[in-house]
Amino acid sequence: DSGVTQTPKHLITATGQRVTLRCSPRSGDLSVYWYQQSLDQGLQFLIQYYNGEERAKGNILERFSAQQFPDLHSELNLSSLELGDSALYFCASSASSGGGSHTDTQYFGPGTRLTVL
Amino acid sequence: ILNVEQSPQSLHVQEGDSTNFTCSFPSSNFYALHWYRWETAKSPEALFVMTLNGDEKKKGRISATLNTKEGYSYLYIKGSQPEDSATYLCALVMRFNKFYFGSGTKLNVKP
Repeated sequence: DSGVTQTPKHLITATGQRVTLRCSPRSGDLSVYWYQQSLDQGLQFLIQYYNGEERAKGNILERFSAQQFPDLHSELNLSSLELGDSALYFCASSASSGGGSHTDTQYFGPGTRLTVL
Repeated sequence: ILNVEQSPQSLHVQEGDSTNFTCSFPSSNFYALHWYRWETAKSPEALFVMTLNGDEKKKGRISATLNTKEGYSYLYIKGSQPEDSATYLCALVMRFNKFYFGSGTKLNVKP
């Protein structure tokens, strides 16, 4: 158990809908990362937040957005869902104690499996 | 988009064999290289973070090296055990803290 929690574990929805995925980082971790793993692709970095602020942006679609709240939990919002958005979405957290987070060990949550029908 | 390549795609070895696989990348302008171990139905687990040319890291029977000049990192497993069966991922951290993952090497260790 990494200490990172994600809810829900599974989500089934229809095309065009909007969903919110939630992540609680390990206690004390300031950085949260979101990743997408589709069937035909490897792990794709979406976005990173550090202490409430967006720190880095990867291949995140405009239909997707994220935020990190004062209590450090994060939400990933996916809207106008398409079949191709079906994937496993992971959240990870790291301590990011300062000086940049590129060498931080990331701890991954169990993931949310999203199925868009 | 940065192309991080891992080879081989999959590997089948017998218990006790030593093995190694490669993560290769086109750029030396990166901040760090991460290795992860990802067991089926679980989450990726961090193994190593490497930053400098010539870096060598070790954790038990698993070790990794980094050659930034020629653009590769090797992961070695000595005396593979069935519990080593997993997908091993590498990820490059580039400017603006962007992570680029390889597609992984799937290792299967037969008892």
